[in-house]
Amino acid sequence: SYELTQPPSVSVSPGQTASITCSGDKLGDKYACWYQQKPGQSPVLVIFQDNNRPSGIPGRFSGSNSGNTATLTISGTQAMDEADYYCQAWDSSTVVFGGGTKLTVL
Amino acid sequence: QVHLVHSGAEVKNPGASVKVSCKASGYTFTDYYIHWVRQAPGRGLEWMGWINPNSGGTNYAQKFQGRVTMTRDTSISTAYMELSRLRSDDTAVYYCARVVVGTRAFDYWGQGTLVTVSS
Repeated sequence: SYELTQPPSVSVSPGQTASITCSGDKLGDKYACWYQQKPGQSPVLVIFQDNNRPSGIPGRFSGSNSGNTATLTISGTQAMDEADYYCQAWDSSTVVFGGGTKLTVL
Repeated sequence: QVHLVHSGAEVKNPGASVKVSCKASGYTFTDYYIHWVRQAPGRGLEWMGWINPNSGGTNYAQKFQGRVTMTRDTSISTAYMELSRLRSDDTAVYYCARVVVGTRAFDYWGQGTLVTVSS
């Protein structure tokens, strides 16, 4: 079965750039999405189709996807961005989520 | 405004079944697939499957085949997920989420239903 791998944790200082990776076999041939989840809340879509932001998502969130790796980039990271982030892709007609990355802003 | 509203928390004994509902509003229910995703305490997101509210067609993750049933009632814009033969490791928050046909992204999520399996 298809798998997506994320680092368990990433740390970033306020105002700096955070990068969260998601690896999977030929992931660049698929579309990647990213979700933000804060404690006690439902996930929120922040990036779809590799690099598109839904309305209401700040411009500091961006994405890329090539080869075997998709990357979520948060520029000028703010304290409010501290959360768990999950990548997601489709493998034929099934959905796969990465294991999640805890972003700490300190 | 799109809303997906779940039924309330459940406590079940091992071996029992649970049926969670997800009521949609703010859009045409039959135009978007509904997926179910669960999250065990302190763990990541786990996809369970989807239902096409228009046709009733379903696709379940292999892990849950034989134990999960997804249905819908279009007259009340509600999707259901029933999980049988519950075990303690089925304790989780169960989410429904809407998927956009074109982008295939989960654009709206319900608030989730906590299902606790304990004797």
